[in-house]
Amino acid sequence: DQQVKQNSPSLSVQEGRISILNCDYTNSMFDYFLWYKKYPAEGPTFLISISSIKDKNEDGRFTVFLNKSAKHLSLHIVPSQPGDSAVYFCAARGPSGAGSYQLTFGKGTKLSVIP
Amino acid sequence: DTGVSQNPRHKITKRGQNVTFRCDPISEHNRLYWYRQTLGQGPEFLTYFQNEAQLEKSRLLSDRFSAERPKGSFSTLEIQRTEQGDSAMYLCASSAGQGIGNTIYFGEGSWLTVV
Repeated sequence: DQQVKQNSPSLSVQEGRISILNCDYTNSMFDYFLWYKKYPAEGPTFLISISSIKDKNEDGRFTVFLNKSAKHLSLHIVPSQPGDSAVYFCAARGPSGAGSYQLTFGKGTKLSVIP
Repeated sequence: DTGVSQNPRHKITKRGQNVTFRCDPISEHNRLYWYRQTLGQGPEFLTYFQNEAQLEKSRLLSDRFSAERPKGSFSTLEIQRTEQGDSAMYLCASSAGQGIGNTIYFGEGSWLTVV
């Protein structure tokens, strides 16, 4: 039972254009959502997050949108740069035993930005 | 470097041997997490510490796995009698708290190959 889904395994975008990465979730108890970027053989690097009480958060070229009714979030990267090429993971955090707020990850979307 | 530090970065071991990984979290982070990532999957939660107390364990953490955080600072993850299915990247992460806004930061991971 996959609670966080990233249905697009890969995405190719031209440099300078917008990249839109999508994520769907099923558990309405999730209260915080994060995006991580990962290069091969490295750990995930935190990118941006959003609380469930908000619908948008922006940080430079990165914007995350949350649609709670649709249980959907998206990450927009504008403008896309070749250095953005990596695997992007959507993660959701929700109350769990002992209040640990563990993260549940999607399988990732590989973004390729073409110069 | 004030990030999460993990070692060794790579470990190749024969089936049946024991291996131990070490994690040094960001200083003053009292929450510490272990995750495991296999090819094509997102990271999966294994266990969580608040200071020296292990508060939560995933069902993925079989009896052959044991994690400790003896003084509430660094942590070790030991795998006994390794199996080929244990081959994965083991990720350590830490956070300052559990409230919204306390981002979980990951280390670079420890690759385990069981031959």
